Amino acid sequence: SYELTQPPSVSVSPGQTARITCSGDDLPKQYTFWYQQKSGQAPVLVIFEDNKRPSGIPERFSGSSSGTMATLTIDGAQVEDEADYYCYSAASGSNVKVFGEGTKLTVL
Amino acid sequence: MQLVESGGSVVRPGGSLRLSCVASGFNFEDYGMGWVRQIPGKGLEWVGGINWNGARPGDADFVKGRFTVSRDNAQNALYLEMNSLRVEDTAFYHCARRAPAAVIWYFDLWGRGTLVTVSS
Repeated sequence: SYELTQPPSVSVSPGQTARITCSGDDLPKQYTFWYQQKSGQAPVLVIFEDNKRPSGIPERFSGSSSGTMATLTIDGAQVEDEADYYCYSAASGSNVKVFGEGTKLTVL
Repeated sequence: MQLVESGGSVVRPGGSLRLSCVASGFNFEDYGMGWVRQIPGKGLEWVGGINWNGARPGDADFVKGRFTVSRDNAQNALYLEMNSLRVEDTAFYHCARRAPAAVIWYFDLWGRGTLVTVSS
């Protein structure tokens, strides 16, 4: 079965750049999406189609993808960005849709 | 815009449950909808979906015909009928809206989820 791999945790100080990676064999052929989920809340879409930002998402959030790895970057991370972040994509040639295991971002 | 799930409860293995999701603040009948589950403290997992016209994009392998996604556009409601429930189905079940005009299924609006506990 298709899998997306993320690091379990990333930690930065406020104002630093946080980078969260997501690797998957089909990422060269499929878009990556990123969701933010704060404790006890619904997930929120922060990046779609590799590098597009939905309206209302701060400009410090950006996405990129190269080869089999996608990256979510938060420039100047803030305390309120502490959350779990999940990447999401689809397997090529099938109906399979998968989420990464999630990365806990700590900003302190 | 809001999605509110209900129907979660404690059920015994082998039992059945029907989850509901009511949408507000947008034109429900224009959007595909789906369900994603989350084991407490764990990650997200696609369950299944339904297009605006009732077409289905394919369920997760673990569903294996046990779960059925349906909708009632007149009631702005999405449903998940779950049968033959297993202990490993214990999770929060989130209702989510499919992003419009997208080739791939992804969700741009989520509910907070309703908890299903399968236990003897």
